[in-house]
Amino acid sequence: NAGVTQTPKFQVLKTGQSMTLQCAQDMNHEYMSWYRQDPGMGLRLIHYSVGAGITDQGEVPNGYNVSRSTTEDFPLRLLSAAPSQTSVYFCASSGRTGRDSPLHFGNGTRLTVT
Amino acid sequence: KQEVTQIPAALSVPEGENLVLNCSFTDSAIYNLQWFRQDPGKGLTSLLLIQSSQREQTSGRLNASLDKSSGRSTLYIAASQPGDSATYLCSGGTSYGKLTFGQGTILTVHP
Repeated sequence: NAGVTQTPKFQVLKTGQSMTLQCAQDMNHEYMSWYRQDPGMGLRLIHYSVGAGITDQGEVPNGYNVSRSTTEDFPLRLLSAAPSQTSVYFCASSGRTGRDSPLHFGNGTRLTVT
Repeated sequence: KQEVTQIPAALSVPEGENLVLNCSFTDSAIYNLQWFRQDPGKGLTSLLLIQSSQREQTSGRLNASLDKSSGRSTLYIAASQPGDSATYLCSGGTSYGKLTFGQGTILTVHP
């Protein structure tokens, strides 16, 4: 059982470039979300989805886009990378109820923007 | 906005000690309270989840409690082992889209 899979593990971008961080889960989870983790700031929610075709903004959505065309996949797009987006990005998923279903995290993508 | 605070920021104990990690939150209309473990370079692993209607959960040597009235949760680790060394985070929120994480407690258990 793979759980939540994130690719790539590491990425270096130049300012202004765009890219997509991939996230896939094989647990048939309805809820998926993207977080960024920064020293001193903790984990902050970027975007989340409560089902295919439904997305919403979290705490720090600016500069990022998401879509949810299937239950399994929830890609995160950086439109025009900035040094402030240097961070570790985590994708997470949980079951339909959310309230009594623990979050499952991927192993993260470490992004550096120069 | 929910604020989550974890104390202490770091803790170093000898193997075999029982220990308590603390998590406090400001909004008592909490959705659930989760405790996670994070190893260096890895994602978070869920340890325990307490629903808003529950008071505690147990898994092996771990016990977590939730007191909404005081805005506190504690994670109790019995008979600590070097393999327990990691960063422990708690999260609380009022809905799935409003989960807030604490900064974490870095635990070191030395032989």
